[in-house]
Amino acid sequence: DAGITQSPRHKVTETGTPVTLRCHQTENHRYMYWYRQDPGHGLRLIHYSYGVKDTDKGEVSDGYSVSRSKTEDFLLTLESATSSQTSVYFCAISESRKQMNTEAFFGQGTRLTVV
Amino acid sequence: GQQVMQIPQYQHVQEGEDFTTYCNSSTTLSNIQWYKQRPGGHPVFLIQLVKSGEVKKQKRLTFQFGEAKKNSSLHITATQTTDVGTYFCAATAGAQKLVFGQGTRLTINP
Repeated sequence: DAGITQSPRHKVTETGTPVTLRCHQTENHRYMYWYRQDPGHGLRLIHYSYGVKDTDKGEVSDGYSVSRSKTEDFLLTLESATSSQTSVYFCAISESRKQMNTEAFFGQGTRLTVV
Repeated sequence: GQQVMQIPQYQHVQEGEDFTTYCNSSTTLSNIQWYKQRPGGHPVFLIQLVKSGEVKKQKRLTFQFGEAKKNSSLHITATQTTDVGTYFCAATAGAQKLVFGQGTRLTINP
């Protein structure tokens, strides 16, 4: 497996509290992604990064922010958690060769429950 | 933004039957990737298709990329219980924005 780890793996938090999920890679890949997975919706892109301090929104970015201060770390923050953000969150990394993305490697996922 | 639509959402088959999932886009894709996610696991890359009309095989799995590069399919011949999982297609929407289809969940009756 690629060197990508997510922490924590499980978290239960209360509505209204801030939550930060961490994705750490040892592959020196340029691109990092945060997805959420919910039944019937597949994998939906929240935010992604194409370099240090370079990030952009995905299709479901409302209520989330990200930061990438180092190549190896990509943080996802829920500013004020809501029950609708209960989900499984996946981080992924990829590279680009010949102007085309290579395969994405996924972390093990973080199961977040907002009560 | 670019979207890839995947059908069907669910498929239940008897072991030994064939299975196909389809991925469609309204725009021309530069390439398409396929992933498999086992129950309780994370998505794992299977293959990438780049060329118009490309066909690739991995044992019992056959992947096709349409001539217009707007659709793709994954076909499994003679399913086995190890094929159980959710299959996703994925495409890049500019600046490496990797978007996924909704996935097809395959269950198999042994």
